[in-house]
Order: sequence, then structure tokens, then C-alpha cells
Amino acid sequence: EPEVTQTPSHQVTQMGQEVILRCVPISNHLYFYWYRQILGQKVEFLVSFYNNEISEKSEIFDDQFSVERPDGSNFTLKIRSTKLEDSAMYFCASSEGAGEAFFGQGTRLTVV
Amino acid sequence: GEDVEQSLFLSVREGDSSVINCTYTDSSSTYLYWYKQEPGAGLQLLTYIFSNMDMKQDQRLTVLLNKKDKHLSLRIADTQTGDSAIYFCAERPTGNQFYFGTGTSLTVIP
Repeated sequence: EPEVTQTPSHQVTQMGQEVILRCVPISNHLYFYWYRQILGQKVEFLVSFYNNEISEKSEIFDDQFSVERPDGSNFTLKIRSTKLEDSAMYFCASSEGAGEAFFGQGTRLTVV
Repeated sequence: GEDVEQSLFLSVREGDSSVINCTYTDSSSTYLYWYKQEPGAGLQLLTYIFSNMDMKQDQRLTVLLNKKDKHLSLRIADTQTGDSAIYFCAERPTGNQFYFGTGTSLTVIP
């Protein structure tokens, strides 16, 4: 069964450092997303991406964040200068269209 | 903004049915979803229902949708210990964004 894969599964970084979280969406999917879940809180939308550009973004997705699809398979989330409050589980998701959306296993980001 | 509400905890005995409830606010939601999250794991899509449907059944899972009351439920028949997890309801109004509930932690007692 096709799946969304994310690497690494756990990333520890120092405050102020840049991190890149990587995702490989399901191959025939056209819509890509990043969500995050701070421990004990709701899963929150960050950004959606379609046709090589951002289609929607939330207030959380400020200038510190960027997304890229550097090649035909990868979808990355970059946090330019990490803050303690960026510590969360980050989920990538993809969908073919409006119906099913599949999430990856997540990357746990810990900022120290 | 959109708000999706769920009760936080549910305990059932193994073999019983579990019913997890959810209320949402945006009546324009085209799809409503149930995801399962096991400890330390990602979000696993269990099922979803199109807004013009009242019910969807998939093996042990039954989803009921009451659009008038904006109420969604997930029934798990013959609940097993492996069903212990957090269950998230999500709505998807216009656009691509999902809005998730807080999650219901289901504990199955052997």
C-alpha cells in the first residue's frame, strides 16, 4: 500500500539553527501539506502546496518557514531559525484531490 | 473560525462497541474524516464520509453523519485491545485545509 514517508523520525536541534524536514508524498498525488502537533494540543495546519506553489497557509507559517519541492518526489519544510516553541511533531500529508488524504508517520522536532 | 469538538476520553470493555462523537461548525464541509493515532505514531486514515451521505460502513467501523446537528460519530464494533489509540475527527471545508478535533483517547479494557 502506498504511503507518505518522512525523515528523520526525530530531529534535535539547537535554538536558532535551521532544520529541514523531508517528506516523500504518494507518487500520483498532487496536493501536499504540512501540519504540526505540539504535545498535548490539536493538530494544526501549516501550509498546503499545489502546482509548485503555496495554495494556503496559516498564521503559524510565518517568514521563518518555507516549503519546497526540489525534485519530482520530495517535499520539504524548512524552519530558518528554530525557536523553543517550534518543538512539535510535524506531519506531512498528500492527497490526490478532495477526498482521501494520507499522513506520514511524523518527524518529532525537539529544539533545545 | 472552524471548531471541531470531541470528548477527551472513552473507556470500553473488550468485545463491546465504542462510539466516539464529534461536533463541527462548518456546514460547508464536503468531507469529514476519522484518523487514528497510536502512541508515538502518525495519523492513520480510518475512513471518511462525503457530506451527502448519512452513513458509511467499513468492516467494524460505522460512521454516522447528522448534517443538521453537525454531528459525526464513529462506531467500532467488537472493540479489541489493538483499537486503543487516540481518534481524531477532522472536517475539510472549502479549500484544502483540515481542521482537527482534540482527539478522543480510547482505552480498551481486557
